[in-house]
Amino acid sequence: DTGVSQNPRHKITKRGQNVTFRCDPISEHNRLYWYRQTLGQGPEFLTYFQNEAQLEKSRLLSDRFSAERPKGSFSTLEIQRTEQGDSAMYLCASSTFLGQGSFEYGYTFGSGTRLTVV
Amino acid sequence: SQKIEQNSEALNIQEGKTATLTCNYTNYSPAYLQWYRQDPGRGPVFLLLIRENEKEKRKERLKVTFDTTLKQSLFHITASQPADSATYLCALNTNAGKSTFGDGTTLTVKP
Repeated sequence: DTGVSQNPRHKITKRGQNVTFRCDPISEHNRLYWYRQTLGQGPEFLTYFQNEAQLEKSRLLSDRFSAERPKGSFSTLEIQRTEQGDSAMYLCASSTFLGQGSFEYGYTFGSGTRLTVV
Repeated sequence: SQKIEQNSEALNIQEGKTATLTCNYTNYSPAYLQWYRQDPGRGPVFLLLIRENEKEKRKERLKVTFDTTLKQSLFHITASQPADSATYLCALNTNAGKSTFGDGTTLTVKP
């Protein structure tokens, strides 16, 4: 396993277009997270999955954003009708969750997809 | 509201010295706290995790302390090297799912 893989690495799109990013997590990990990061800020939580179930979505995530994780493997993040404010680095991470009352280990992040909306 | 604050200013130190980074939080009861390193244009890399019932954890030249009374974690890098130059992020998790990250502290180690 080569870690968390994200594609594409860079995406430039025109305002109003739809974009889709893909994340392939570490295969043994049951949790997958999407974060967004802008320059000088820490990663901002968007959503996460445990296996194929989407357990939480940030209130900051507008209805233009949707994420899926079919069959609990890879995940896609789609942004519809992109706006310039969507320009950011989109980070995917995966981890192992051992069950209620246990503690997670650290996240393994991918290298991110840098989105530029022009 | 919940808040995580890391050193607002960048930290510049001389090679060989100990770097100390601070993570303060309010309105959280974290089950555990994590530290990550991030290089420009890359995703964060996990370094250490410390649980609420642990006071201190070490890994090679790294040491993390966690004071739930002060609501503070300190991250130390001893015998610092220029290769330690990066942004360091702390993240809190309440065992409810996601981790919440601070905005990071940029460390520069000068030779």
